[in-house]
Amino acid sequence: DAKTTQPNSMESNEEEPVHLPCNHSTISGTDYIHWYRQLPSQGPEYVIHGLTSNVNNRMASLAIAEDRKSSTLILHRATLRDAAVYYCILRDVGGGGADGLTFGKGTHLIIQP
Amino acid sequence: EPEVTQTPSHQVTQMGQEVILRCVPISNHLYFYWYRQILGQKVEFLVSFYNNEISEKSEIFDDQFSVERPDGSNFTLKIRSTKLEDSAMYFCASRWGENTGELFFGEGSRLTVL
Repeated sequence: DAKTTQPNSMESNEEEPVHLPCNHSTISGTDYIHWYRQLPSQGPEYVIHGLTSNVNNRMASLAIAEDRKSSTLILHRATLRDAAVYYCILRDVGGGGADGLTFGKGTHLIIQP
Repeated sequence: EPEVTQTPSHQVTQMGQEVILRCVPISNHLYFYWYRQILGQKVEFLVSFYNNEISEKSEIFDDQFSVERPDGSNFTLKIRSTKLEDSAMYFCASRWGENTGELFFGEGSRLTVL
C-alpha cells in the first residue's frame, strides 16, 4: 500500500471543528483513502473512506484534494470522546480485495475541555 | 449493532505454552483478519483469511502461528509456543465482501507472556 504522512499529534478544543491532514503523494488510481481511529484501550474503528469526491457521514467529513495527493478528515464539533489516534490509510482495491490495512503511527488527537 | 467479539479479554501464559485466541466475526462477513499491537507501537497486520484459507500473511505470521475457522462462526488464532515478544494486544477484524468495505474490529485480547 502507498505511504501516507500525518502529523504526530494535534490539539483542539471541545466543541470546535478539527481538521486532520494526510499527505499521500504517491497515491495510485485504485487507492481508496480510509480513515480509522483508535480510542484508548480499544480496537480500531472505521470512520470514513472515499476515492475522489468529498464524503460525509454521521461521524465526519472527508475532503479529498483534486489531485488526490492529500486529504483532510473533518470532525465538525469535537467532543472529549473524539480523543483518539486517527489513521489515514490507503487501500488498493485493484488487486482482488482480500488484503488487510497497513496502519502507520497516525495522529494523536488531544481534545481540551 | 452487530459486533466482532473476542475472548479472552486478557490471557497470561508462560513462555513456550500454546495459546488460542478466539473471535466471533459478524455473521454475514466473508473476510477475516488478525492484527496485533505491541504496547506503544503500531497496529500490525498478521493474516487475512477468505474462503477457508489464508489469503495473505505478513512476515510476523511465521510457523508458530496458525488460524482456523473450525465451525463457520469462530475464527481462531493459535500461537504454538509463545515467546516473550508475543506479548501484545491481538485484534480480530472482519469485512463483508465489498472491495472497499470497512473492517470491523473487536475489542482485542491482551496476551501477556511471562
